[in-house]
Amino acid sequence: ETGVTQSPTHLIKTRGQQVTLRCSSQSGHNTVSWYQQALGQGPQFIFQYYREEENGRGNFPPRFSGLQFPNYSSELNVNALELDDSALYLCASSLFGGSGANVLTFGAGSRLTVL
Amino acid sequence: AQSVAQPEDQVNVAEGNPLTVKCTYSVSGNPYLFWYVQYPNRGLQFLLKYITGDNLVKGSYGFEAEFNKSQTSFHLKKPSALVSDSALYFCAVRDLHASGGSYIPTFGRGTSLIVHP
Repeated sequence: ETGVTQSPTHLIKTRGQQVTLRCSSQSGHNTVSWYQQALGQGPQFIFQYYREEENGRGNFPPRFSGLQFPNYSSELNVNALELDDSALYLCASSLFGGSGANVLTFGAGSRLTVL
Repeated sequence: AQSVAQPEDQVNVAEGNPLTVKCTYSVSGNPYLFWYVQYPNRGLQFLLKYITGDNLVKGSYGFEAEFNKSQTSFHLKKPSALVSDSALYFCAVRDLHASGGSYIPTFGRGTSLIVHP
């Protein structure tokens, strides 16, 4: 069983630029969610995708957008980058539905630095 | 609304001693509670969860957690700490009655556990 893989692992951008982060879900999982983890903070929920549609969103502006593909892989896109967007971006996959006690499987993250 | 608090930024313990990492939560209904661990340059890894039933939950690597409904707490414990347990620990809560079936968890800020040799 493969885990969650994310790319790139590290990247540096400048203010105003756009970035795309990628994630491959764990085999058998149909839901992917993205989190932003700033230094010294816990993961903050950005949004979740199921059946290629967003089905939950945290308190993030519209310049944060995403996609889920038929193979359950996903992208996180951030436009008009700001300095405060510098963080570790975590992708997590899970199985939708059931009791809600499903465990999240996280990738190692993509560390974004905005200069 | 749901929230979780980890009152300690850092916990220091000597190897071989018992450890406790504290977590309190707030939900409108019945909670699902989770502990995850994060090692340097790694994603979060699941340790254990409470859904219902026994208040003492056993998880990976010898960790356990005690659910206390009256105190709205879910403290993580281990009888004998190892240096390799040093990591960031995150508590998370999901409200059983969260709408839409999306069951989005809320994570705490994390507690850095340092186990000294």
